[in-house]
Amino acid sequence: KAGVTQTPRYLIKTRGQQVTLSCSPISGHRSVSWYQQTPGQGLQFLFEYFSETQRNKGNFPGRFSGRQFSNSRSEMNVSTLELGDSALYLCASSTRQVTAASEQFFGPGTRLTVL
Amino acid sequence: GENVEQHPSTLSVQEGDSAVIKCTYSDSASNYFPWYKQELGKRPQLIIDIRSNVGEKKDQRIAVTLNKTAKHFSLHITETQPEDSAVYFCAAIPDTGGFKTIFGAGTRLFVKA
Repeated sequence: KAGVTQTPRYLIKTRGQQVTLSCSPISGHRSVSWYQQTPGQGLQFLFEYFSETQRNKGNFPGRFSGRQFSNSRSEMNVSTLELGDSALYLCASSTRQVTAASEQFFGPGTRLTVL
Repeated sequence: GENVEQHPSTLSVQEGDSAVIKCTYSDSASNYFPWYKQELGKRPQLIIDIRSNVGEKKDQRIAVTLNKTAKHFSLHITETQPEDSAVYFCAAIPDTGGFKTIFGAGTRLFVKA
């Protein structure tokens, strides 16, 4: 099975712009989570989608949003970019059952640089 | 809010020694505790996990222990090897109301040959 893929791998934007990141989960995985990784803050949970529904959201401003499509592919959007949004954005998919969390498989990440 | 504290932030050991990383969580609803290893420039990968109905789990040189009463769980690596050098993240996840994964800040492990 192909692993989790993310596009693009690298992105450079300027303050005020918006950006859309894409994540394709492992075939059959219906749960997709997004994380922001920075050297100082580790892995911060952004949100989790399951069957096109956002089930949980982390403590990020409303500029961060996402969605999931019927094929489980997910996109994350950040509007009005700020310098502090520079980070590695990781998505992870899992088979996640309704009542039990399970292993998450991470993508390679999208490295976003905001100038 | 939910929080996972992880200690130490950096750990340096001699090859062959043991390494222990400890985590404390705050959300009493947490009942799934995975550990991920992230090598430099690579994506995090699960190395071991434990559920709250189990106190200890072992997989070769790696073991995890859980004290649900104290809200503590620990990763133990025995007979460390240079390839164990990486950043290790613990996480705590509740099984109810969606799976909001809260990660610890990470421990950078150096294994000196």
